[in-house]
Amino acid sequence: GEDVEQSLFLSVREGDSSVINCTYTDSSSTYLYWYKQEPGAGLQLLTYIFSNMDMKQDQRLTVLLNKKDKHLSLRIADTQTGDSAIYFCAERGGYSSASKIIFGSGTRLSIRP
Amino acid sequence: NAGVTQTPKFQVLKTGQSMTLQCAQDMNHNSMYWYRQDPGMGLRLIYYSASEGTTDKGEVPNGYNVSRLNKREFSLRLESAAPSQTSVYFCAISNPAYEQYFGPGTRLTVT
Repeated sequence: GEDVEQSLFLSVREGDSSVINCTYTDSSSTYLYWYKQEPGAGLQLLTYIFSNMDMKQDQRLTVLLNKKDKHLSLRIADTQTGDSAIYFCAERGGYSSASKIIFGSGTRLSIRP
Repeated sequence: NAGVTQTPKFQVLKTGQSMTLQCAQDMNHNSMYWYRQDPGMGLRLIYYSASEGTTDKGEVPNGYNVSRLNKREFSLRLESAAPSQTSVYFCAISNPAYEQYFGPGTRLTVT
């Protein structure tokens, strides 16, 4: 079946950039998402990119998509302590409400002072 | 998580007991979903509803039933809880732009 993979942990120094990587297998992906989950909370949609785009920037967040390699990344500029959370990559394989969304296992981002 | 509410926030059940998890939205969207989240794993889809009156199985439907009572509400029922159903359950809605918004979750423990 389709799969989405992420590394489990990332540690960065406060003020540096964080780059969280994700790979997926579904060649018919239409939308690719990044979610943030803080402890005890639900998932918060951070940003998403259409599969026909290479890059999307939204304030401190930059999403890069390499469709040929099926690789997605999320860059957080000037990482702050409030960015500590688990980040989930997800991909949707179609254009209907019934299209399946596959989530990665999440990357736990921790910030060093 | 504004717009999607879930009750209860926490629940402890004994094996074999039943319960219903409630989800309601005030965003007037057609699509609603139930996921479970287990440690070290991403979210897995249990059931979804593309519109009022329709429901379909997701990746892990066994042991669960759902009801789409109206456009606002989508409930998940465990008829006979098992320890393997210990998890955090999230309800989500999807707008026409395919952005998904999640509720705060229900943490369920089955002993």
